[in-house]
Amino acid sequence: AQKITQTQPGMFVQEKEAVTLDCTYDTSDQSYGLFWYKQPSSGEMIFLIYQGSYDEQNATEGRYSLNFQKARKSANLVISASQLGDSAMYFCAMREGTGNQFYFGTGTSLTVIP
Amino acid sequence: NAGVMQNPRHLVRRRGQEARLRCSPMKGHSHVYWYRQLPEEGLKFMVYLQKENIIDESGMPKERFSAEFPKEGPSILRIQQVVRGDSAAYFCASSPLAGGRNEQFFGPGTRLTVL
Repeated sequence: AQKITQTQPGMFVQEKEAVTLDCTYDTSDQSYGLFWYKQPSSGEMIFLIYQGSYDEQNATEGRYSLNFQKARKSANLVISASQLGDSAMYFCAMREGTGNQFYFGTGTSLTVIP
Repeated sequence: NAGVMQNPRHLVRRRGQEARLRCSPMKGHSHVYWYRQLPEEGLKFMVYLQKENIIDESGMPKERFSAEFPKEGPSILRIQQVVRGDSAAYFCASSPLAGGRNEQFFGPGTRLTVL
């Protein structure tokens, strides 16, 4: 089974609107971390936000927030007030327990329309 | 504080040649991870190293691929006798500690093209 599933290959959003990028995960560990990265066309991976499995509150970082629903095993990224510079690939990732590797989803391509 | 450095950024090799990819972690980071990204896919873990030690190579192909992180100098991912299927972006990441909420800081990647 896939550890991380991103079901939206591509998304469009109007500038200044909010958008939600979906991510579901699969793990039997009680302790895990969830991460979102942005990959612009230049190719680098930019860390956006982190959510720990024991964190009681949803993580927020500026215009990014994470809608963490533990029972549903989902960790959706919400980008508020979209900007043209938000156009990029977005990857959800998970680290299990004290594991070493990140498991990445296949990504969602976000295009912000002016 | 410089970020994770990778070089070269682009590498072209012919089938059968060797590819050497270098990664200098962020200052103070002793944990290095290599990932491979095939076109249109997410990153796939290859190997995790600490200084002079391979900790986890469960994602590394058994043949032709090797990695090292010497006491001095950058981490090296080496691909011998490259084939067209090795064409991908190879990312290196580093972290100050392992596990927990420690994020991995990624380098810009090396894009390998095998002709």
